[in-house]
Parts: sequence; C-alpha cells; structure tokens
Amino acid sequence: GAVVSQHPSRVICKSGTSVKIECRSLDFQATTMFWYRQFPKQSLMLMATSNEGSKATYEQGVEKDKFLINHASLTLSTLTVTSAHPEDSSFYICSAKRSGARINNEQFFGPGTRLTVL
Amino acid sequence: GESVGLHLPTLSVQEGDNSIINCAYSNSASDYFIWYKQESGKGPQFIIDIRSNMDKRQGQRVTVLLNKTVKHLSLQIAATQPGDSAVYFCAENTGTASKLTFGTGTRLQVTL
Repeated sequence: GAVVSQHPSRVICKSGTSVKIECRSLDFQATTMFWYRQFPKQSLMLMATSNEGSKATYEQGVEKDKFLINHASLTLSTLTVTSAHPEDSSFYICSAKRSGARINNEQFFGPGTRLTVL
Repeated sequence: GESVGLHLPTLSVQEGDNSIINCAYSNSASDYFIWYKQESGKGPQFIIDIRSNMDKRQGQRVTVLLNKTVKHLSLQIAATQPGDSAVYFCAENTGTASKLTFGTGTRLQVTL
C-alpha cells in the first residue's frame, strides 16, 4: 500500500506554454500533499503545501501565480507550471501525507516528473 | 558529508563493507528526522526515521544515530550491497506542519 503516482513522468514543452502535473495517492487518502523541485545534483526544495479544499501554502520565493496548485480531492493534487521557461526545467516531485497521520513518516513520495522547457 | 554548489559528496565503499553517511542539520528545534534513498530518476524512498528524544534507532541493516549536541545525524549501512548505490538524503521536520527540510545529499557508490 501507500503508493503515490505522478503523471506524466516526463514532459517536454515549448517556452511560454503551461504544463500540468498530477499527483495521486492510489490507495489512501491524503489531506495534505507537498510539491518539491529538484535541480540536477541538488537536493529537494519544498515549493508548496497543498491542502485539500483550501489554498496552497507557498514557500518563500515561490511564485504562486506561476505554480498553480489545486487539491480538489483527497487523492489528487495538480501543479500547473504557467508560462514555462527554460529555467523551470527541473524534476518535480510530490509527496502525500496519509489523512489522520500524526507522525511524519506517513508521507509517501511520488516517482517524480521530469520537465524540460525548450 | 555536506556539499557546496552543484557537486554531491560521494562515498565509495566496497561491497560487503559498512557505510557511514553523515548529515549536519541546522535547526535545533527539529524534532523528527528521516533518511531517504533516491535512485536516479526516481522519487525518495523512506529508509528509517528517528525522533529527537532518541539517539539511536536500528532497522534492517541500517542504523541511524542522532547527536543533538552537535546537530549531527548519521546513517550506517551494514554489509553494503550494489543495490544500495544511490543518493542518500537526511530530512528534518520542524513544527507541526509536517514540512521537511532536506539536506544536500551524499552519493553512495558501491564497488565490487
């Protein structure tokens, strides 16, 4: 159990277009999901916390109008990179926290989405 | 180890030897720590965790040590295998929001 999927796994888009990435918890409900970005040979940087039914909370320096997050159900959060530019090329990873979990290790990571903006 | 810039520190060990991966954390208020393993092109995989009221925890072939005095965390892998080759990250949790702050990572290379 506790599987998190992401779709697509890879996406290549042209500069100026928007790209939507989905994060799904397949066998559990997740009130909270997290979106991370990882550049090559670097660590994961938290971008935002996605809460079901409410607005996402963004980390300092992350533009909320550029990285739109929607968490419309207990099993799905989406991240839309709007007007993507080459510097947005990165590995985007989501994690999902099991609803009702009090301990942090009940947070499961997706396999990541490789975004390349030409 | 800790890295600066774009270069991950690398630890090379021979198959069968023990590995020790180190991590320094910054926030003395952090109360929960996790080690993750990340293989190339994949998401992080949970290995082991430890709460701040403990200084040692053991799992299968892995041990995590926590030294709060110097804000240091280590992951010990016994009898390292080729399948252990990956990048290892420590992560700390501070507060109630379950947000994780990841360390810079260490690449473990297992040689035959």
